[in-house]
Amino acid sequence: RKEVEQDPGPFNVPEGATVAFNCTYSNSASQSFFWYRQDCRKEPKLLMSVYSSGNEDGRFTAQLNRASQYISLLIRDSKLSDSATYLCVVSGGSNYKLTFGKGTLLTVNP
Amino acid sequence: DVKVTQSSRYLVKRTGEKVFLECVQDMDHENMFWYRQDPGLGLRLIYFSYDVKMKEKGDIPEGYSVSREKKERFSLILESASTNQTSMYLCASSFEGWNSPLHFGNGTRLTVT
Repeated sequence: RKEVEQDPGPFNVPEGATVAFNCTYSNSASQSFFWYRQDCRKEPKLLMSVYSSGNEDGRFTAQLNRASQYISLLIRDSKLSDSATYLCVVSGGSNYKLTFGKGTLLTVNP
Repeated sequence: DVKVTQSSRYLVKRTGEKVFLECVQDMDHENMFWYRQDPGLGLRLIYFSYDVKMKEKGDIPEGYSVSREKKERFSLILESASTNQTSMYLCASSFEGWNSPLHFGNGTRLTVT
């Protein structure tokens, strides 16, 4: 099993749609989880951290399922500006390492 | 706001040249990282540093070295550039510990001809 695995997409959705991404991880000792967004030819930027109890930031909701070892990102009421690649990031526990998924490409269409 | 600055946005070098990529952060972060990003391969960790003069190999250190003489500065060195080192290079920093998110610079697109 790969360390961090994401569906590469692409996801093409209309404006206003709800879209969800999942990300699975292999290291059960992982402690920290993040979602980043990366626009074309730009650097990744932190979208949100993922907490055990789940967390919400406006239209974005992140959840963690430790038993099944996956995190999810839900985007409600999609905007054109949400078009980007979404990267999940998982810490490796004590090995000083954050591992990135390869990203899921989202395109929101008018 | 955290600012991570990479010295060059675009760089073109010839095979065999020694290349220096510089990165400076202004938030007094302990940890600094160098990644490269290639289509289909995602971000891969080259080297990281958790303190001044300390360095650790990442997943793909071959052909690279690093230097951290000051806390705010982390340099990536390509001793003898090769065409397979053509890539986007991203520097990042984070607070002490390994549960802090990374803050990235805006990247250096290096082309080796």
